[in-house]
Amino acid sequence: QSALTQPASVSGSPGQSITISCTGTSSDVGGYNYVSWYQQHPGKAPKLMIYDVSNRPSGVSNRFSGSKSGNTASLTISGLQAEDEADYYCSSYTSSSTQVFGTGTKVTVL
Amino acid sequence: EVQLVESGGGLVKPGGSLRLSCAASGFTFSSYSMNWVRQAPGKGLEWVSSISSSSSYIYYADSVKGRFTISRDNAKNSLYLQMNSLRAEDTAVYYCAKNDYFDYWGQGTLVTVSS
Repeated sequence: QSALTQPASVSGSPGQSITISCTGTSSDVGGYNYVSWYQQHPGKAPKLMIYDVSNRPSGVSNRFSGSKSGNTASLTISGLQAEDEADYYCSSYTSSSTQVFGTGTKVTVL
Repeated sequence: EVQLVESGGGLVKPGGSLRLSCAASGFTFSSYSMNWVRQAPGKGLEWVSSISSSSSYIYYADSVKGRFTISRDNAKNSLYLQMNSLRAEDTAVYYCAKNDYFDYWGQGTLVTVSS
């Protein structure tokens, strides 16, 4: 199972909005509404930010939103803040009943 | 409060074995699927294995199939990963994660495979 494709890096100024893409195939991202997004700060465990494409867990800021179109899912962070600087990973359920992660995106707040 | 605490990591020689454990608390362990996810130093996340709530369904990444075995003991609220025939490329921090969409993670345990 090949990793989902994410941009290596995305940057933005405080207050701006950024979008991270996550591209897979019809056997994973495109085939199921089971895409999740995780935030990981250096040396820390990942934290769930979005699940089932667009659902936000309790406690996660509404500045984070998710969507999907075809084989590509997206995570949008609006009102970018310094604390949002981290690595972000998408994941998807697959037709083999396995899970696959994205390649990861480093978000830099300028 | 949900807590997942991994243990059992360490230094092992290539070809060796290691058993990881994950102690769960703060939720009804027997009601949720569980997973192992790993992260090699400086690299991204890699899903390793998942097990359903009653152990009826078990899945593995191709990279570990035939070498790793996931199991759970619902009476002890514990998840395990038996790792055999370890290779240098298995060196990583191993996390246990709850539920189909990894809603909670442990702090991880480092496994280093080196001679």
